[in-house]
Amino acid sequence: SQTIHQWPATLVQPVGSPLSLECTVEGTSNPNLYWYRQAAGRGLQLLFYSVGIGQISSEVPQNLSASRPQDRQFILSSKKLLLSDSGFYLCAWSELTVEAFFGQGTRLTVV
Amino acid sequence: QKEVEQNSGPLSVPEGAIASLNCTYSDRVSQSFFWYRQYSGKSPELIMSIYSNGDKEDGRFTAQLNKASQYVSLLIRDSQPSDSATYLCAVYADSNYQLIWGAGTKLIIKP
Repeated sequence: SQTIHQWPATLVQPVGSPLSLECTVEGTSNPNLYWYRQAAGRGLQLLFYSVGIGQISSEVPQNLSASRPQDRQFILSSKKLLLSDSGFYLCAWSELTVEAFFGQGTRLTVV
Repeated sequence: QKEVEQNSGPLSVPEGAIASLNCTYSDRVSQSFFWYRQYSGKSPELIMSIYSNGDKEDGRFTAQLNKASQYVSLLIRDSQPSDSATYLCAVYADSNYQLIWGAGTKLIIKP
């Protein structure tokens, strides 16, 4: 069966520091991969999605970037965090049946 | 702009009653519809998917789809306190591999 791993679960980072969140999927090949952000009490905001290695689409202009160096690995990065980057970051995968399955999420607090 | 609308709630329902959650969407050609449950501080979990007009039942959950009226609903029978969560409606947009998300309805089941 398929599983998705996302880490770390919580992260406190100072303003201006770099960020790297990693997500890996097991038990499937060539999944669609997504990074979402959820502000407190709000809905899901799609940040990036990828349909294959090296193929990244950005939905929201910001100081975040994403990379997919391997088929089942998706990385979210920032060179310099802003206070507004705080939130709940979720990695998700999907296949042809299109429903998304989520990792445990990363609670990021920028201080 | 494709949109999915949900009443933010909170919707308060007594234990044992039927909880009814509604969602409307703007894209007429949408084909796939999903309900996710999200407990506070956790990632969304898929609980129902529906693709055809009518009802789909799974245990205490029933999803209802009406494409002509562009709405999808979720009924929870015999509501339990453990059903207290935020319920997210998601609609698949065939054109760009994305799920379009509603902001969610907070459901509170009162013992």
